Amino acid sequence: AQTVTQSQPEMSVQEAETVTLSCTYDTSESDYYLFWYKQPPSRQMILVIRQEAYKQQNATENRFSVNFQKAAKSFSLKISDSQLGDAAMYFCAYRTSIQGAQKLVFGQGTRLTINP
Amino acid sequence: NAGVTQTPKFRVLKTGQSMTLLCAQDMNHEYMYWYRQDPGMGLRLIHYSVGEGTTAKGEVPDGYNVSRLKKQNFLLGLESAAPSQTSVYFCASRTAGATERSRTEAFFGQGTRLTVV
Repeated sequence: AQTVTQSQPEMSVQEAETVTLSCTYDTSESDYYLFWYKQPPSRQMILVIRQEAYKQQNATENRFSVNFQKAAKSFSLKISDSQLGDAAMYFCAYRTSIQGAQKLVFGQGTRLTINP
Repeated sequence: NAGVTQTPKFRVLKTGQSMTLLCAQDMNHEYMYWYRQDPGMGLRLIHYSVGEGTTAKGEVPDGYNVSRLKKQNFLLGLESAAPSQTSVYFCASRTAGATERSRTEAFFGQGTRLTVV
């Protein structure tokens, strides 16, 4: 079974600085998707960025980018120019495909604090 | 633009009581999911549905039942609530749409905080 591990329960960063959140996963599949979700205090799950495993180029969405290392099964999220609104719980997720349902498997989450 | 709506937002139950959580989506999505979120454990899949009238077990199905009588609704039932079911419950939906990109994104409701005392 696929597993996703986020080894940093909490992280903090100064406003305007850069922070990297770590994620590793375990799978025997060759084709899959990886995601980072943001969960602010409102509880809403917000998709931040996605990465297709067959693409070598790292995904980027404005201030958010990933470092995808397929051989190492590592998928870290870098947030540049951190803003107060970035404070949230961040979840790494893997999309598995079983009978077409394509379920998401989540990591434990990392709580990010932004210091003004 | 309602998206995925969960009812209720909060609920307190006594041990042994039953209740049903309702998830409604207005995007005509084929796939629907129920997750529970517990501290330090992320979100775990309870049950899911690949279409109207079909359901399947996820990672942590014990103590829950589901039904999908209508495509837009996915109900999660607790027949006899236990304190271990205290959690935040999330519903999500996804399309089986035409493009791979559209099929990858899951849309989440705002969650239901359930406390069983």
